[in-house]
Amino acid sequence: AQSVAQPEDQVNVAEGNPLTVKCTYSVSGNPYLFWYVQYPNRGLQFLLKYITGDNLVKGSYGFEAEFNKSQTSFHLKKPSALVSDSALYFCAVRDLNYGGATNKLIFGTGTLLAVQP
Amino acid sequence: DAGVTQSPTHLIKTRGQQVTLRCSPKSGHDTVSWYQQALGQGPQFIFQYYEEEERQRGNFPDRFSGHQFPNYSSELNVNALLLGDSALYLCASSLDRGAYGYTFGSGTRLTVV
Repeated sequence: AQSVAQPEDQVNVAEGNPLTVKCTYSVSGNPYLFWYVQYPNRGLQFLLKYITGDNLVKGSYGFEAEFNKSQTSFHLKKPSALVSDSALYFCAVRDLNYGGATNKLIFGTGTLLAVQP
Repeated sequence: DAGVTQSPTHLIKTRGQQVTLRCSPKSGHDTVSWYQQALGQGPQFIFQYYEEEERQRGNFPDRFSGHQFPNYSSELNVNALLLGDSALYLCASSLDRGAYGYTFGSGTRLTVV
């Protein structure tokens, strides 16, 4: 069964420092991976996705993610954190069990990013 | 161009009651998926509607049902509400069953008392 794991419940970083939010995956076949961000009392906002191609994916708001097949990881990164980046971040993988019939997403448990001024 | 619209934004119901949540997909999208996000957890897939039919269902009881209308909008119905149904319900719209990704709405916060 497809799954993703976010090993850190919370990541703390000082404004201006680089940030990394970790995600590992378990899939059979080639993974379709996503990162979403959720601000308080809001829905999910799409940041970026990896389907194929370059291992470094660039997304919205200066975020990027590195796909590492050997380590089955898809960590989210940003070179310089902003206080406004403080939010809940979710990694997700597309479920392949139905042969793409519905492309449903399987989410991790989320990582709370706290950026201190 | 409107994104995904969900109504209502907040709802309080009593155990045993029934509730209907509504979703209007992003313009041009033909598929609606529903997710339940309990407090402190990631969203869990409930079901997906495409061409007015339920295409796949997650691990949710029959108390959860849905519908998709010809204009692609959708409803989520929950019968015999339990305290454990309290959650944020997210609607995600997409084109062609999510082949190109999803756009999420802001959700409906359901509280069962």
